[in-house]
Amino acid sequence: GQNIDQPTEMTATEGAIVQINCTYQTSGFNGLFWYQQHAGEAPTFLSYNVLDGLEEKGRFSSFLSRSKGYSYLLLKELQMKDSASYLCAVSDSNYQLIWGAGTKLIIKP
Amino acid sequence: ETGVTQTPRHLVMGMTNKKSLKCEQHLGHNAMYWYKQSAKKPLELMFVYNFKEQTENNSVPSRFSPECPNSSHLFLHLHTLQPEDSALYLCASSQEGLTTGELFFGEGSRLTVL
Repeated sequence: GQNIDQPTEMTATEGAIVQINCTYQTSGFNGLFWYQQHAGEAPTFLSYNVLDGLEEKGRFSSFLSRSKGYSYLLLKELQMKDSASYLCAVSDSNYQLIWGAGTKLIIKP
Repeated sequence: ETGVTQTPRHLVMGMTNKKSLKCEQHLGHNAMYWYKQSAKKPLELMFVYNFKEQTENNSVPSRFSPECPNSSHLFLHLHTLQPEDSALYLCASSQEGLTTGELFFGEGSRLTVL
């Protein structure tokens, strides 16, 4: 079956760096997405990786290794507003999105 | 206007009620989706409409009935629901089908079935 694994919850300190991992086993691969979802709000797109390597976008970076079925989202200079759930999703061979259950990130002062 | 708007934001209904969720997108997209989001579970795709045609129905019980009158509007009609149907129902849109990737979500309708 198809599966996406990510930690349920993580805690980090304001100003620090945190890495949220995502591992996947899917039938084919057409890209990996990260979404951010604040409590009570809509998920919003953060990043898309289809080739191996690191994509940087301001304080957020996303890394992909297709051979390892692995990605991470790196958040730098953490701010309180980064407290949210982070959803990993993989597009499989049929372009169906397979979702992880999300990682709830708690930022402490 | 926000990109994807869902109403109502909150809904409480009994198991014998009939209600509808509404979604409207102002992005000019051609594909629209209904997802179910339960606590600590992955998003579950329910229905997909591409150019107003239903292209996906993920074995959803018939007590959920979608309707897509045009590419900007999507409804989810609810009847004789069960308590386990209580969840956040998210609508999303994309330029075309899932091949183009990024989804734009509404804020969801929080449904409680008593």
